[in-house]
Amino acid sequence: AQSVTQPDIHITVSEGASLELRCNYSYGATPYLFWYVQSPGQGLQLLLKYFSGDTLVQGIKGFEAEFKRSQSSFNLRKPSVHWSDAAEYFCAVGPQRGQNFVFGPGTRLSVLP
Amino acid sequence: DTAVSQTPKYLVTQMGNDKSIKCEQNLGHDTMYWYKQDSKKFLKIMFSYNNKELIINETVPNRFSPKSPDKAHLNLHINSLELGDSAVYFCASSRQGDQPQHFGDGTRLSIL
Repeated sequence: AQSVTQPDIHITVSEGASLELRCNYSYGATPYLFWYVQSPGQGLQLLLKYFSGDTLVQGIKGFEAEFKRSQSSFNLRKPSVHWSDAAEYFCAVGPQRGQNFVFGPGTRLSVLP
Repeated sequence: DTAVSQTPKYLVTQMGNDKSIKCEQNLGHDTMYWYKQDSKKFLKIMFSYNNKELIINETVPNRFSPKSPDKAHLNLHINSLELGDSAVYFCASSRQGDQPQHFGDGTRLSIL
C-alpha cells in the first residue's frame, strides 16, 4: 500500500528565510504527488502537483517542489518565507491503480517576525 | 462564490444523537469525498463517490452513511454519535478520481 511520511512535525523559521519541507512516499510506480496548505480554521488548498514531466514544479504563493525518484521524495521549497505562510502543510499521494488518496501527517510551519 | 461548501461549520451535540452534514460543490466535478481530520491533524479518507456511486468506503463504522442525491451533493449522516466521532470533517471534490481535490472549510463536530 502506498504511504506518505513527513519527517518534521513542526518547523520554525524566521520571516525572509528559506524553507524546505520534506516529504517521502512509498509507491510501486511513479506516483501523482501533491502539496496542500491548511490555514487555521480552513480547508486544504492545493499548492502544486506533479503528474509527469519536469521534476521541478512551480505552485502558487511562490512555492516549488522537486520530485526525486531515486530518493522517493517530493520536498517543498520557498526561497523567502512570509508571515502569512504559517500554516499546516500536507503532502499527498495518488490515487492510482485502485489505491486511495493518502495524505501525510502534516508539518506545522511557524514563522518568526 | 464558494466552490465546495459545507454546513454547518460547527456542530455540538450529545452522545447518542443522530446528525447530518451537508456538502455541495458548484465546480461541475464528478467525484466527491468525505475526510475525517483528528485532533492531531491526521487526515483520513472515509468515502468517495463518483457520479453518485460509491467508489471508496474505508474502514468506517456503519453508523456513518453517505448519501449523494446528485452529482453536486454528498451528505454525511451519522447515527448514535460517540465521543470518538469528535473531529473536523471535510468534504472535497475533484474532476476525476486522480485529479487535485478542492476542499470545503470543514465541519467541526464536538460530542458532549
